[in-house]
Amino acid sequence: EEQLVESGGGSVKPGGSLRLSCATSGFSFSNAWMSWVRQAPGKGLEWVGRIKSKTEGGTTDYAAPVKGRFTISRDDSKNMVYLQMDSLKTEDTAVYYCAAVGWGQGTLVTVSS
Amino acid sequence: QAVVTQEPSLTVSPGGTVTLTCGSSTGAVTSGHYPYWVQQKPGQAPRTLIYDTNNKHSWTPARFSGSVLGGKAALTLSGAQPEDEADYYCLLSYSGAVVVFGGGTKLTVL
Repeated sequence: EEQLVESGGGSVKPGGSLRLSCATSGFSFSNAWMSWVRQAPGKGLEWVGRIKSKTEGGTTDYAAPVKGRFTISRDDSKNMVYLQMDSLKTEDTAVYYCAAVGWGQGTLVTVSS
Repeated sequence: QAVVTQEPSLTVSPGGTVTLTCGSSTGAVTSGHYPYWVQQKPGQAPRTLIYDTNNKHSWTPARFSGSVLGGKAALTLSGAQPEDEADYYCLLSYSGAVVVFGGGTKLTVL
């Protein structure tokens, strides 16, 4: 059974950094494109970005609001994907989900002074 | 950036049929946008029901189907059940590099 578990969320001040992790199991991680999606409180889903499998180049794509501030990486040896978030803004406050075929349960990031 | 549009809300009677649609500000939606449909029930994580226009996962109830119709992606629910009450989001891929979610449709089964 596919499982995705996010961790690393918490509270941070504007301008700060946070690194989210997503531990996966139950599927062929090395072949999977991994995505991050966020949901601000009471709002809809927003695509953050994704990383392709290494066999397809391992390249990343990002949504405009986070480009240049967020970085997605993967460690196929550990079946993990990461989201490094720098220069955080209050509008980045959201539950962050990692997703492949299935979705994780999400981790809350709060950016507030 | 492209804007993906969905009906804000729809209501369907139990046992009835409803079609949710997904349009793009850039023009007609095609299978080349690889439409996905994601369901989210209150207080729960999302789950993908349909991928690449009309493909189902093992957990997708047979009463859900996806298509591209009249320049929009569509999710049809035939034989609505109370447990289908949820928010439904479509997402489209643009030039293989950017993915955009629609604003979501709140489906009420009443």
